[in-house]
Amino acid sequence: KAGVTQTPRYLIKTRGQQVTLSCSPISGHRSVSWYQQTPGQGLQFLFEYFSETQRNKGNFPGRFSGRQFSNSRSEMNVSTLELGDSALYLCASIKGGQNSYNEQFFGPGTRLTVL
Amino acid sequence: AQSVTQPDIHITVSEGASLELRCNYSYGATPYLFWYVQSPGQGLQLLLKYFSGDTLVQGIKGFEAEFKRSQSSFNLRKPSVHWSDAAEYFCAVGARGANNLFFGTGTRLTVIP
Repeated sequence: KAGVTQTPRYLIKTRGQQVTLSCSPISGHRSVSWYQQTPGQGLQFLFEYFSETQRNKGNFPGRFSGRQFSNSRSEMNVSTLELGDSALYLCASIKGGQNSYNEQFFGPGTRLTVL
Repeated sequence: AQSVTQPDIHITVSEGASLELRCNYSYGATPYLFWYVQSPGQGLQLLLKYFSGDTLVQGIKGFEAEFKRSQSSFNLRKPSVHWSDAAEYFCAVGARGANNLFFGTGTRLTVIP
């Protein structure tokens, strides 16, 4: 079956702009998590969506937001971009369910460069 | 507070040699532990996971890891490294019912012929 799709794969923006990244999970998976990966901070959890609801949120400013659609596809948005937002943004597809751990399947990521 | 420590930033081994990557964690609840591998320009691939039960877990590509509660460790091992194992390896901790993983800073593995 198809894996996790993230679009675009590469993106260049300037400071102050906003950006929207997209993630299509594996078919049948209902939950999506987002992570930011930078050389300085490593991999950090941004948020998780399950059935169109944000279920968990990491320690990021309000400029970072997301949503999930009824088909489980998810988008994340970063407004008023800063240089420090340059990172690889990874999406993970999770089968779902709140009472057990579910394996996370990661997409290839979107590489965002802020100039 | 939850945290994962991977003390080795970079390890170089010869092809065919054995490998051990260290991971220590701090987690208030019963931890779920994972090892992921990331090749350049790629996402993360799960190598193995520990939820409960047998403390020695087997994963893909010939990797195994041992959970030692007394040492808060979950070290990754492979008896004979292949050149294709060169990548970055991440240890992560999570909890039942929570899909937010806490990752270590990673260990970059270089394999020399």
